[in-house]
Amino acid sequence: TQLLEQSPQFLSIQEGENLTVYCNSSSVFSSLQWYRQEPGEGPVLLVTVVTGGEVKKLKRLTFQFGDARKDSSLHITAAQPGDTGLYLCAGARASGTYKYIFGTGTRLKVLA
Amino acid sequence: NAGVTQTPKFRVLKTGQSMTLLCAQDMNHEYMYWYRQDPGMGLRLIHYSVGEGTTAKGEVPDGYNVSRLKKQNFLLGLESAAPSQTSVYFCASRDGDLTYEQYFGPGTRLTVT
Repeated sequence: TQLLEQSPQFLSIQEGENLTVYCNSSSVFSSLQWYRQEPGEGPVLLVTVVTGGEVKKLKRLTFQFGDARKDSSLHITAAQPGDTGLYLCAGARASGTYKYIFGTGTRLKVLA
Repeated sequence: NAGVTQTPKFRVLKTGQSMTLLCAQDMNHEYMYWYRQDPGMGLRLIHYSVGEGTTAKGEVPDGYNVSRLKKQNFLLGLESAAPSQTSVYFCASRDGDLTYEQYFGPGTRLTVT
């Protein structure tokens, strides 16, 4: 059972465009992470959000945790070819848990 | 400081063969994880360990066994490989309960024919 659904699954855009990726669940998470994965490599953590409604920014990337802690979004402003990759969200079900549930992934391609 | 390393990088097995994947971390992390990644499925947790000598089952543990005899190493074993175990396997480690970041290895691509 996949508890975290990401949309869209695939996204191909031109350099300079904006985009938003969504991570949705019917379950509540104590924390949620976003990772980026490049071909042939393991995922690399971008951000962790822990408070409902929390917004974090990482240069052109803006991450938001839903008020009810069931969903999250990743917004990229003025996308660049270097943003190309697989974006994964991952949630921890309870505080102090050792386990994460990963989303299905969004594969982004930014064309120059 | 190599972070998380995985051995081997690639492997092809015949159905019924066995093998062990090795994960090593040099960050003195308490927690270690084994995931598999299949197209359209994200990462799914196979087994994990919260300390030396301890292991626990994740979402998809069937057909796999693990051991954590030393803090820095986490081994994933396939006793009798099946084509359904064709996947990319990732190991990850995490410092402790107060930190969230998982550090991933580069992955092992396994094909079972």
